[in-house]
Amino acid sequence: QKEVEQDPGPLSVPEGAIVSLNCTYSNSAFQYFMWYRQYSRKGPELLMYTYSSGNKEDGRFTAQVDKSSKYISLFIRDSQPSDSATYLCAIGFNDMRFGAGTRLTVKP
Amino acid sequence: GAVVSQHPSWVICKSGTSVKIECRSLDFQATTMFWYRQFPKQSLMLMATSNEGSKATYEQGVEKDKFLINHASLTLSTLTVTSAHPEDSSFYICSASFGVGDQPQHFGDGTRLSIL
Repeated sequence: QKEVEQDPGPLSVPEGAIVSLNCTYSNSAFQYFMWYRQYSRKGPELLMYTYSSGNKEDGRFTAQVDKSSKYISLFIRDSQPSDSATYLCAIGFNDMRFGAGTRLTVKP
Repeated sequence: GAVVSQHPSWVICKSGTSVKIECRSLDFQATTMFWYRQFPKQSLMLMATSNEGSKATYEQGVEKDKFLINHASLTLSTLTVTSAHPEDSSFYICSASFGVGDQPQHFGDGTRLSIL
């Protein structure tokens, strides 16, 4: 079993839709949870990080962590074509573990 | 915000040559830097953790003599792929974390290495 499971997609949505991206993890020892966005041929860009259960909001993005279920989510409201990218969940800091990444396409 | 710069962004070279990739933290001091490798449509694979002033820690299965890492200052880490072969062709990405305590990693824009 992988430490972080993430559906690789691809996921295609119309512009303006709410996008839900999800990951599960197996090791409850990890305390930090991140979401990165990676455009083609670029390095990952940190979107959000949190270390507690609950929601964290930043503009159109909301990160949600449920430690009891070992489940993390990223919601994107009013999705835009510029949001088209691969979204990677990650857990841990110095010993970070990545999900496979979900490829998202937002169609105009 | 934090910026990690990686150079070169793309390199093509002949089989058997050595290639050096630089990773710099531009506006912060990075005690620890990380090197990753990414194959097309796959996630990042950690190769090694680079600590300033000490030897790098390599992940299992990564040849330390093949992938030489030097972290001589708090703002620069280098990865040298020695005697590169076509199977070493990949996307190499570095990252760094800054500040004290646990901090998230910030990534460079990667280096696309193509060995002919």
